[in-house]
Amino acid sequence: EAQVTQNPRYLITVTGKKLTVTCSQNMNHEYMSWYRQDPGLGLRQIYYSMNVEVTDKGDVPEGYKVSRKEKRNFPLILESPSPNQTSLYFCASSLKGYGRVNEKLFFGSGTQLSVL
Amino acid sequence: AQSVTQLGSHVSVSEGALVLLRCNYSSSVPPYLFWYVQYPNQGLQLLLKYTTGATLVKGINGFEAEFKKSETSFHLTKPSAHMSDAAEYFCAVTPHSGNTPLVFGKGTRLSVIA
Repeated sequence: EAQVTQNPRYLITVTGKKLTVTCSQNMNHEYMSWYRQDPGLGLRQIYYSMNVEVTDKGDVPEGYKVSRKEKRNFPLILESPSPNQTSLYFCASSLKGYGRVNEKLFFGSGTQLSVL
Repeated sequence: AQSVTQLGSHVSVSEGALVLLRCNYSSSVPPYLFWYVQYPNQGLQLLLKYTTGATLVKGINGFEAEFKKSETSFHLTKPSAHMSDAAEYFCAVTPHSGNTPLVFGKGTRLSVIA
């Protein structure tokens, strides 16, 4: 089954303790992206990647890191989490990235992160 | 720069009533437009999209949207709401050219009352 898999589904941590949220897709997609979703603010893009070893900042990249060493994986790293990073995070992927007629984004089920 | 405005963070309709969720965009070039739906505790799913051609676009679950260039709008409609339509709906835009990522609106939560 074609899917985007995020782990963990729920995560509670404390300020300053490094964490990684994993994202994997099995569709051989080139484009992958991370979003955070906050009430009243909708979805905001954190980072995206057009292909292996190519990453770019989205709208809210501060406090986050990403890497794209393999096509299928796009982990999100919080080196020193803070309470304002408490949010619902989504990973998404698409074949080539937008600007092409038949593209659509496939989303993971989300990771609810709480930073105390 | 592109942006999307969704009017109404929360819309409530009765079962069987018309659903109308509003989306206006700003874009310096002709855009691609999308509606995504998020059911509780799930990720987003594509509902429908407008790229080129016919301005009235039909999507899944009986939803449709009409691209109106003169009004810079892409409102989502459904003639008769079902309880299962209760979800959050996001409008999104990207320009035709290049690999520019999607810009999402802030979302509209649809409640359906029995």
